[in-house]
This record gives sequence, structure tokens and C-alpha cells, in this order.
Amino acid sequence: EPEVTQTPSHQVTQMGQEVILRCVPISNHLYFYWYRQILGQKVEFLVSFYNNEISEKSEIFDDQFSVERPDGSNFTLKIRSTKLEDSAMYFCASRAGTSGGTDTQYFGPGTRLTVL
Amino acid sequence: AQSVTQPDIHITVSEGASLELRCNYSYGATPYLFWYVQSPGQGLQLLLKYFSGDTLVQGIKGFEAEFKRSQSSFNLRKPSVHWSDAAEYFCAVDPSYSSASKIIFGSGTRLSIRP
Repeated sequence: EPEVTQTPSHQVTQMGQEVILRCVPISNHLYFYWYRQILGQKVEFLVSFYNNEISEKSEIFDDQFSVERPDGSNFTLKIRSTKLEDSAMYFCASRAGTSGGTDTQYFGPGTRLTVL
Repeated sequence: AQSVTQPDIHITVSEGASLELRCNYSYGATPYLFWYVQSPGQGLQLLLKYFSGDTLVQGIKGFEAEFKRSQSSFNLRKPSVHWSDAAEYFCAVDPSYSSASKIIFGSGTRLSIRP
């Protein structure tokens, strides 16, 4: 079965550094998402992306965050200047978008980001 | 306010016993409803989903969920749990009925299995 992949599985960075989290969505999917889960808390929506632009973003997704689909396969989340509170598991997800909203959103295994 | 509520933070059941995890939602119209499972150190796996039609939904791994409109609930059930079912379970909704929309997750219920 096709799956969403994410790299790296774990990233450690210093506060103030830039990080890029990478995702390869399922081929032919049209809608892409980033979510995050702070340790012990629920999964929170960050941003959705379609047709090379952001569809919706949450309050968490401030100017420090950006997303990009640099080529036909990758989908990236960049945090420009990391803060301690950015430490979390970041999940990428994709959806085919061919069934009017009833198709499944598939999640990747996540990237654990640790900011020191 | 719009929300997804999982009232049980942690549940422990004996292996072989039945299981019910509760979920309530608060939205103006019935959203799309989901249950996801997250095993330790793993990603999120979809167990089942409800969009319309039959209110009893069958999922993977022997799980089922029943949608009750009058109670705004979507409880997850399994007749006999296995030790491998120990995980975090998230109820989730998609309130916007569009392909571009986001999923809103509940706070999760951690399931432990007693041998």
C-alpha cells in the first residue's frame, strides 16, 4: 500500500536555528498537510496546501513557518528560527482529493523535532 | 464552541475483555468522523470513518464505531481486546466537508491492557 514518508525521523537543533522537515506524500495526491503533536498533547493542525498554495493555516502557523512543494514529490515544512516550544512530533499527511472530502487522509510516521 | 471530546484520558482493560472508548463532538452539523490509533513511537493509523449511511461502521483490527446523532457521539468498540491493542486512540472530525479541509483531533485516550 502506498505510504507517506518523512525524513528525518528525529532532528535535534539549537534554538534560533532553521530546520526543514521533509515529506514525500503519496503519488497523485493533491492535498497536503502538516500537523504537530507536542509531547503528551493532542495532534494539532498547522497548515493545508493545494495547487501550490496554502489553503488554510492555524494560529500556530505564524511567520516563522513556511511550506513548499519544491518539486513533484517533496513537501517541506520550514521553521526559520526555532524556539524551545517548537519541540514536537510533526506529521505530514496527504489526501487524494478526488471524492469530495470523503477520501482518507494518510499520515506519515512523523519527525520528532527537539529544540535545545 | 466547536470541539471533540474524549472524556477518558486513560483506560485499562483485561485482555479478552470488551472495550468502549467514548467520543462526543460539538458542531452545528454532523461532521465527518474518524478514529485513529497511534502505537508508541508510531504515526497515526486510520481505524475507521463515518461520512453517512449506516450508523454502525466497521473498521480494521476488529474495531467498530456507532454514530448516534441524538447524543453527538461516535464511540469506538471492540468485543475482545488483544495485548497489541495497547495504544493511544484519537477521535477526530472533519467539519467542513471539503477536500481541502483539516482534521480536528480529540485529546486522546490511552488504552492499557492488563494480562
